[in-house]
Amino acid sequence: AQSVTQPDIHITVSEGASLELRCNYSYGATPYLFWYVQSPGQGLQLLLKYFSGDTLVQGIKGFEAEFKRSQSSFNLRKPSVHWSDAAEYFCAVGAGNQGGKLIFGQGTELSVKP
Amino acid sequence: KAGVTQTPRYLIKTRGQQVTLSCSPISGHRSVSWYQQTPGQGLQFLFEYFSETQRNKGNFPGRFSGRQFSNSRSEMNVSTLELGDSALYLCASSLPGLDLNEQFFGPGTRLTVL
Repeated sequence: AQSVTQPDIHITVSEGASLELRCNYSYGATPYLFWYVQSPGQGLQLLLKYFSGDTLVQGIKGFEAEFKRSQSSFNLRKPSVHWSDAAEYFCAVGAGNQGGKLIFGQGTELSVKP
Repeated sequence: KAGVTQTPRYLIKTRGQQVTLSCSPISGHRSVSWYQQTPGQGLQFLFEYFSETQRNKGNFPGRFSGRQFSNSRSEMNVSTLELGDSALYLCASSLPGLDLNEQFFGPGTRLTVL
């Protein structure tokens, strides 16, 4: 069965510091992978996606993620965090043959210290 | 292009009642998925509709149902509400084809069951 694990429930970083949020997935075939961000009281906004090809993908707001098949990971990174990045981040996996079904991780809440 | 809209945004019901939530997808999107978000269980897939047919279903009781209309708008219904149904219900839409898993989320409907 597909599953997604985000090992860190809560992370605090200083503004300007680098960020890495971890995501591990379990899926038999090549997965479709996503990172979403959710601000309080809001829906989910897509940061970036991986379907195939280059394993380093660029997203919006300066985020990037690297797909590592050997480690079943899809970690999200940002070189310099801004206070406005404080939010909850969700990693998700989808299967092309299951249409609009995404399996989400439990989320990582990011706090940014001034 | 307008995003995914959900109505109402907030809803308060009492146990035993039923509720209907509405979702209008992005123009041209034919797939609509529903998710339940709670602090304890996180984001869980409810079901997906594509061309007025339920294509995927999550592990929720039969009290949770949905439908899709010919204009791709979707509704979900929860009957005999329980306290545990209090959650943020998110709707997402996507295009058919390879990027079917790339979903665009609405702001959600916050349901409180008293």
